[in-house]
Amino acid sequence: AQKITQTQPGMFVQEKEAVTLDCTYDTSDPSYGLFWYKQPSSGEMIFLIYQGSYDQQNATEGRYSLNFQKARKSANLVISASQLGDSAMYFCAMRAGGTSYGKLTFGQGTILTVHP
Amino acid sequence: EAQVTQNPRYLITVTGKKLTVTCSQNMNHEYMSWYRQDPGLGLRQIYYSMNVEVTDKGDVPEGYKVSRKEKRNFPLILESPSPNQTSLYFCATGPRANEKLFFGSGTQLSVL
Repeated sequence: AQKITQTQPGMFVQEKEAVTLDCTYDTSDPSYGLFWYKQPSSGEMIFLIYQGSYDQQNATEGRYSLNFQKARKSANLVISASQLGDSAMYFCAMRAGGTSYGKLTFGQGTILTVHP
Repeated sequence: EAQVTQNPRYLITVTGKKLTVTCSQNMNHEYMSWYRQDPGLGLRQIYYSMNVEVTDKGDVPEGYKVSRKEKRNFPLILESPSPNQTSLYFCATGPRANEKLFFGSGTQLSVL
């Protein structure tokens, strides 16, 4: 069974500073995918970034980067130059490999608050 | 415009009264899935579908049914809702399971 753990229920950051949101995962599949999604207070789910288990380089999307450390089974999200609009709930998620390819497991989420 | 349409947005019902939450996408995506979101638990996958007539259980399938008779629609059926199914439900779709998902706006369900 696969598992995603986000140990930070809440994080605070000053505007324009960088912040790291932690995510660790557990799976026995050699092939898997890792995602980060953002959920603002309005409730919609917004895709941020994806990392495949065989990708050699860390994924980046604008101000978002995924610090993928395979041996440690961690997939931390780094947001550079935080903005007030980054205040939201952030979810880490993992797609299974093998015969459960479509199965997606989410973490509990981290609420990020950006202070001016 | 690419859309995932989920209806209704809000629903209050009583225990045991069958209901259906609809999900429709206009992106010709093969992959569709349903999630429930509860405080402190994140999102949990209920069912997913890799293509028409292909569905499989997620982590919390008990008390739910789905069908995928056509590519664009993936309804979630609660045959006999109970109060512990009170939750925020999301439908999501993607070209494949390993690509970004497009989420519907969510359905807030209350079962009294």
